Amino acid sequence: GAVVSQHPSRVICKSGTSVKIECRSLDFQATTMFWYRQFPKQSLMLMATSNEGSKATYEQGVEKDKFLINHASLTLSTLTVTSAHPEDSSFYICSARGPGGDEQYFGPGTRLTVT
Amino acid sequence: GENVEQHPSTLSVQEGDSAVIKCTYSDSASNYFPWYKQELGKRPQLIIDIRSNVGEKKDQRIAVTLNKTAKHFSLHITETQPEDSAVYFCAATTNNAGNMLTFGGGTRLMVKP
Repeated sequence: GAVVSQHPSRVICKSGTSVKIECRSLDFQATTMFWYRQFPKQSLMLMATSNEGSKATYEQGVEKDKFLINHASLTLSTLTVTSAHPEDSSFYICSARGPGGDEQYFGPGTRLTVT
Repeated sequence: GENVEQHPSTLSVQEGDSAVIKCTYSDSASNYFPWYKQELGKRPQLIIDIRSNVGEKKDQRIAVTLNKTAKHFSLHITETQPEDSAVYFCAATTNNAGNMLTFGGGTRLMVKP
C-alpha cells in the first residue's frame, strides 16, 4: 500500500515553455502532498505544501507564479513550471502523507531538463 | 523553524561492518523522525522511523535511536552489504507543521565488498 506515482519521469523542454508534472496517490487519499526539488548530490528542498481544495503554501524563495500547484482531488496534485529556464532543470519529487498520518511516501521523481 | 544537521556526509565501510549516521535537530517540539534511503536517480524510500515516545526501534539489520534531551537521533546498520550503498537522509517533523519534513543534508554510504 501507500504507492505514489509521478508523471512524466523525464521531460526535456525548450526555454520559455511550460511543463506540467502530475503526482498521484494510487491506493490512498492524500489531503496533503508536498513538492520537492533536488539538485545533484544535494538534499531534498521543500518547495510547497499542496492541500486539497485550497491554495498551496510555498516555502520562502519559491515563486508561486512560476511554480503553479493545483490539488484538485484527494489523489492528484500537479506542479506546472511556467516559462521554464535552464536553471529550473532539476529532479522534482512529490510526496504524500500516508494513511497512518505521519509517514510520507515519495513519487519516483521527474527529471526536468530545460534547453 | 526546524533545522536538521546530518553527519557524516560520506561514509565508507567494509562489507560486514557496521555503519552509524547521526542527526541533530533544533525544534524540541519535533516528534516524528523518519529515515530514507535513496539510490541514484530513484525516489527516497522510507526504511525506518521513530516517534518521540520511544528511545529505540529495530528492524532486522537497521536500528534507530532517539535522545530527546540531546535532540539527536541515529541510524545504525549492522552487517552491511553492498546493496546498502546509497544516500541516506534523516528528517524531522512536528504534527503542527502539517507533517512538513525537514531533511538533513544526506549521507552517502559506500559499502566495499
